[in-house]
Amino acid sequence: DAGVTQSPTHLIKTRGQQVTLRCSPKSGHDTVSWYQQALGQGPQFIFQYYEEEERQRGNFPDRFSGHQFPNYSSELNVNALLLGDSALYLCASSFSRTSGSISNEQYFGPGTRLTVT
Amino acid sequence: AQSVAQPEDQVNVAEGNPLTVKCTYSVSGNPYLFWYVQYPNRGLQFLLKYITGDNLVKGSYGFEAEFNKSQTSFHLKKPSALVSDSALYFCAVRAGLGNFNKFYFGSGTKLNVKP
Repeated sequence: DAGVTQSPTHLIKTRGQQVTLRCSPKSGHDTVSWYQQALGQGPQFIFQYYEEEERQRGNFPDRFSGHQFPNYSSELNVNALLLGDSALYLCASSFSRTSGSISNEQYFGPGTRLTVT
Repeated sequence: AQSVAQPEDQVNVAEGNPLTVKCTYSVSGNPYLFWYVQYPNRGLQFLLKYITGDNLVKGSYGFEAEFNKSQTSFHLKKPSALVSDSALYFCAVRAGLGNFNKFYFGSGTKLNVKP
């Protein structure tokens, strides 16, 4: 049973460029959340997708956008990259379809390390 | 507003000794509390969670956590630390109604277990 997978592992971009990160959820999961983890910090919630719609969003600018596909996989897009966007981007999946699933834990992928120069 | 605080950036303990990693929370509504561990260059791994019921929750790798509603705390504990427990530990809270709520993570506590 494959866990959460993310690609690429590492990425180096220049300021002003755009980047797309990809995530495949754990088998059986229908919800994908994205987090930004700056060096020495805890993960910060970016947004969450379920049934191909953004359900919750954290305090991130519109430069951060996402998408979820019918097979539950997801993409995170960041436009007009800034130096401050350098971080580890984590994808987490969970199951939301049933009542009470708020108590379900999230399963995290290994992350994509983005460096903006 | 929901928040989680981990007051210690680092905890040092000798192998074989008990360990405690502290976490306090602030939420509106019923708190759903989680502990995760992160090893270098890895994603977060789930350790345990508190949803309801017994205040002492047992999790993976011999870890447990005690929920204290009056002190709004959810401290992570282990009776006997191992060198392999050395890692970064995060407390998280999820709160509110419905199935779509944000996870709020603490800033993390680095656990160092010395031989």
